[in-house]
Amino acid sequence: GAGVSQTPSNKVTEKGKYVELRCDPISGHTALYWYRQSLGQGPEFLIYFQGTGAADDSGLPNDRFFAVRPEGSVSTLKIQRTERGDSAVYLCASSPGGGFEKLFFGSGTQLSVL
Amino acid sequence: GENVEQHPSTLSVQEGDSAVIKCTYSDSASNYFPWYKQELGKRPQLIIDIRSNVGEKKDQRIAVTLNKTAKHFSLHITETQPEDSAVYFCAAIDDYKLSFGAGTTVTVRA
Repeated sequence: GAGVSQTPSNKVTEKGKYVELRCDPISGHTALYWYRQSLGQGPEFLIYFQGTGAADDSGLPNDRFFAVRPEGSVSTLKIQRTERGDSAVYLCASSPGGGFEKLFFGSGTQLSVL
Repeated sequence: GENVEQHPSTLSVQEGDSAVIKCTYSDSASNYFPWYKQELGKRPQLIIDIRSNVGEKKDQRIAVTLNKTAKHFSLHITETQPEDSAVYFCAAIDDYKLSFGAGTTVTVRA
């Protein structure tokens, strides 16, 4: 596609529910990142994939958060037992390869946990 | 890990004036410093970046300077226009991932 695509754009859920957020990176980009952005803050790193493997998941806040990228393209961020503090914009970004190359961001998923 | 601090948090300038945003970083090994612009409800977009082997880079009305000794870098926007109003984020590379500052909300007054 033309850019990084994230679905849904908005997700409202109840505390304790399970949610999945999807990211479709730019075709051919091997590196994929998930960030979380709270209101008035900069993006906060969650996890980085190089191909199918999670090269760095040090930013995941706890074991309720998990992400996969089974075929090295689309990625899904999964949050179990959601809490109100999980409410934020979840941003996905991709880049052509590893290292310090330009990141292209998606428009994000606004997650609201009621 | 990398810690990036950004100042000021808000900046209001008269149209046509210059705007300067400053960032500091903690990891002396960082060697890539991008700046992103985010308009309300939109995705962050890269506007300029600099690598550690240069001290300054310009692209039309925007420029970035880097002082590796002091571990700080700055964004300069000249001849500001209303469309420059947005939130600007600096970032530094930290082991293949970017660490972002908290952002600066720039408002250009007509």
